[in-house]
Amino acid sequence: QKEVEQNSGPLSVPEGAIASLNCTYSDRGSQSFFWYRQYSGKSPELIMFIYSNGDKEDGRFTAQLNKASQYVSLLIRDSQPSDSATYLCAPSGTGTASKLTFGTGTRLQVTL
Amino acid sequence: EPEVTQTPSHQVTQMGQEVILRCVPISNHLYFYWYRQILGQKVEFLVSFYNNEISEKSEIFDDQFSVERPDGSNFTLKIRSTKLEDSAMYFCASTEGVNTGELFFGEGSRLTVL
Repeated sequence: QKEVEQNSGPLSVPEGAIASLNCTYSDRGSQSFFWYRQYSGKSPELIMFIYSNGDKEDGRFTAQLNKASQYVSLLIRDSQPSDSATYLCAPSGTGTASKLTFGTGTRLQVTL
Repeated sequence: EPEVTQTPSHQVTQMGQEVILRCVPISNHLYFYWYRQILGQKVEFLVSFYNNEISEKSEIFDDQFSVERPDGSNFTLKIRSTKLEDSAMYFCASTEGVNTGELFFGEGSRLTVL
């Protein structure tokens, strides 16, 4: 079983729609979950993190976490063309200097 | 805004040559990382570094790789004898504390091995 699984996409949504990105992870010890956005040829940048079960909203972004199901998702409301990127799910590890393990990412395309 | 800086942005080298990639993490950060991304593939963890020693390393980080913090600011990744399959984008990242979790990434160093 892969450590972090994401649908590679591309996920195509029209401008203004809601984009739903999903991720499952295998390490039950993971406590923190991060969503990074990566534009083509660029480095990852953090857009959301979530620690507790339930929903966390930040502007147009909502992260959802279900630790029992080992599932984390990201909703993007009112999708914009500038949201077109690859979205990386990254549970944290445990211990000192714990690393983030990235999924393959889901490529999102927001169409006009 | 503080940022992680990496040099060079692109390096082309011959197979078997040594390469050093340099990073200047954000000044008050204590944890440092190297990741790599082969074209079209996922971002892969190489190594984490804290308190002047390696905290964790992946299977990729074999004896050909080493990291060093030679002074108070630089954090380097050395590949002793490059192979074709080392061609990738190498990202340096740092974070203030292990509990914050947010990694700040540099812009990356693209390594091309011929």
